[in-house]
Amino acid sequence: EPEVTQTPSHQVTQMGQEVILRCVPISNHLYFYWYRQILGQKVEFLVSFYNNEISEKSEIFDDQFSVERPDGSNFTLKIRSTKLEDSAMYFCASGRSSYNSPLHFGNGTRLTVT
Amino acid sequence: GQQLNQSPQSMFIQEGEDVSMNCTSSSIFNTWLWYKQDPGEGPVLLIALYKAGELTSNGRLTAQFGITRKDSFLNISASIPSDVGIYFCAGQKTWDRDDKIIFGKGTRLHILP
Repeated sequence: EPEVTQTPSHQVTQMGQEVILRCVPISNHLYFYWYRQILGQKVEFLVSFYNNEISEKSEIFDDQFSVERPDGSNFTLKIRSTKLEDSAMYFCASGRSSYNSPLHFGNGTRLTVT
Repeated sequence: GQQLNQSPQSMFIQEGEDVSMNCTSSSIFNTWLWYKQDPGEGPVLLIALYKAGELTSNGRLTAQFGITRKDSFLNISASIPSDVGIYFCAGQKTWDRDDKIIFGKGTRLHILP
């Protein structure tokens, strides 16, 4: 069964550094999302992306965050200058074209900012 | 912001027992979803519900979309050790294709030896 893949599985970075989290969504999906989960807490929406542009973003997704679909397969989340509070699991998700198509999640990237 | 209230926060049960958890909201959702998250992994979809009153099963799991559209429950019958994990309800408010899904805070299921 096709799945969403994310790399790396774990990234350690120093405060102030830039990180890029990578995702390969399921190939026939058109809607892409990033969520994050701080340790022990709920999964929080960051941003949705469709037709090569951001559809919606949360208040967490400030100017330090950006997303890109640089080619036909990858979907990336960039954090320009990481802060300690950015430490979390970041999940990529994708969905098919119809509204009643639930999201499929990757296994996440654990980001640790020191 | 939009909130889903999920309860209980955690459950400690004996293997073989049935489990029930629920999710409520002060506003209407048009889609309810139940996900399970194992340690170190992403949420995995268990059941998706699209119509008020809908009752759907997936093996030992049964979920219902409340008539008011403001709640949903998930039941697990005859629990087994691999049921351990965090169960999240999630909802989508509108029919917009790109409308985000928001999550409850999860119910952590523990099975006692």
